[in-house]
Amino acid sequence: AQSVTQLDSQVPVFEEAPVELRCNYSSSVSVYLFWYVQYPNQGLQLLLKYLSGSTLVKGINGFEAEFNKSQTSFHLRKPSVHISDTAEYFCAVSLSISFGGYNKLIFGAGTRLAVHP
Amino acid sequence: GAVVSQHPSWVICKSGTSVKIECRSLDFQATTMFWYRQFPKQSLMLMATSNEGSKATYEQGVEKDKFLINHASLTLSTLTVTSAHPEDSSFYICSARPGQAGNTIYFGEGSWLTVV
Repeated sequence: AQSVTQLDSQVPVFEEAPVELRCNYSSSVSVYLFWYVQYPNQGLQLLLKYLSGSTLVKGINGFEAEFNKSQTSFHLRKPSVHISDTAEYFCAVSLSISFGGYNKLIFGAGTRLAVHP
Repeated sequence: GAVVSQHPSWVICKSGTSVKIECRSLDFQATTMFWYRQFPKQSLMLMATSNEGSKATYEQGVEKDKFLINHASLTLSTLTVTSAHPEDSSFYICSARPGQAGNTIYFGEGSWLTVV
């Protein structure tokens, strides 16, 4: 079975500072990895995804993530955050297509990013 | 981008009544839709997967007779919470995937259910 661990439940940061939100996953087979953002009282918006190819993935709103297979990690980074980035961020994993996947998304517990002026 | 819409966004119902939440894919045909439940400050828990024209597949621990899912068309899935109780109060989110596995999954805005 697959699982996702987001090591930090909350990350406070000042505006214009860099930020890294950590995500580790566990799976015995190949997976796809995702980062979603959820603003208050809203659904989820896809930030970026890793399916294959380059391990550095660039997403929307200036975010990027790097897939590290040896460390089973998919950390999310942004070099300079804005107040508007304050939200809940979820890392998710699904089985790769070769294993009949990209069906169920397994989510981590989420990380609350709080950007302060 | 593709849009998935949920209705209603907020609903309050009395304990013992049933409430229906709709999930629509507005600009694509969704062969598969997913229903999640999210408690405050917690992650999303997959409740069930529904494929158009067939019965939904429920996750372990989810009561299929309590959470009725219907996916009668390629653009609409409904979740009906039957005989709702206060512990059913939660944020329910649907997602939809066009075509085959491997396509991007799009999430709805979510629906807040409060049972009083």
